[in-house]
Amino acid sequence: AQSVTQPDIHITVSEGASLELRCNYSYGATPYLFWYVQSPGQGLQLLLKYFSGDTLVQGIKGFEAEFKRSQSSFNLRKPSVHWSDAAEYFCAVAPGSGNTGKLIFGQGTTLQVKP
Amino acid sequence: DTEVTQTPKHLVMGMTNKKSLKCEQHMGHRAMYWYKQKAKKPPELMFVYSYEKLSINESVPSRFSPECPNSSLLNLHLHALQPEDSALYLCASSQSRAGPFTGELFFGEGSRLTVL
Repeated sequence: AQSVTQPDIHITVSEGASLELRCNYSYGATPYLFWYVQSPGQGLQLLLKYFSGDTLVQGIKGFEAEFKRSQSSFNLRKPSVHWSDAAEYFCAVAPGSGNTGKLIFGQGTTLQVKP
Repeated sequence: DTEVTQTPKHLVMGMTNKKSLKCEQHMGHRAMYWYKQKAKKPPELMFVYSYEKLSINESVPSRFSPECPNSSLLNLHLHALQPEDSALYLCASSQSRAGPFTGELFFGEGSRLTVL
């Protein structure tokens, strides 16, 4: 069965420090991969996506993610965190083929930013 | 600014009430979704409409009744809910009318439902 694992439930970083949020997936083929962010009381916003091609993808708000097939990972990174980045981050996968209309989310990582 | 609009933003209802949540998108997307989200949890898929037809129902109780009047609108009718149904209900849409499903969803800000 397809699954997404975000090993870190909660991460705290200082403002200006670098950030890496981990995501591992389980799927037979290469799925479509996504990172979404959710600020408190808000809907989800797409940060970036990977479908194929270059394994390093750039997103909005200065985020990037790297797809590593050998590790079944799609980790999110940011070189310098801002206080406004404090939010819930969800990694998600969709099958790379087929048309089920389903998106599988990880359990999320809560990012806290210290001044 | 979100291009998926949900109303109302907050709703409080009793267990015997009938209410509806509404969602609207004007991006020409072919698929629309209802998700339920509890605090500190990921969204859980409830329903998917594709080309205005119900394509996925994730075994949702019948007290939740979806409706897609046209390609831009999605409703969720609520009746005889339980307190455990209190949650954030998110609407989303995806993909233009051409092309396969890619999983990229555009979410509304949600409707916060409290069932007393």
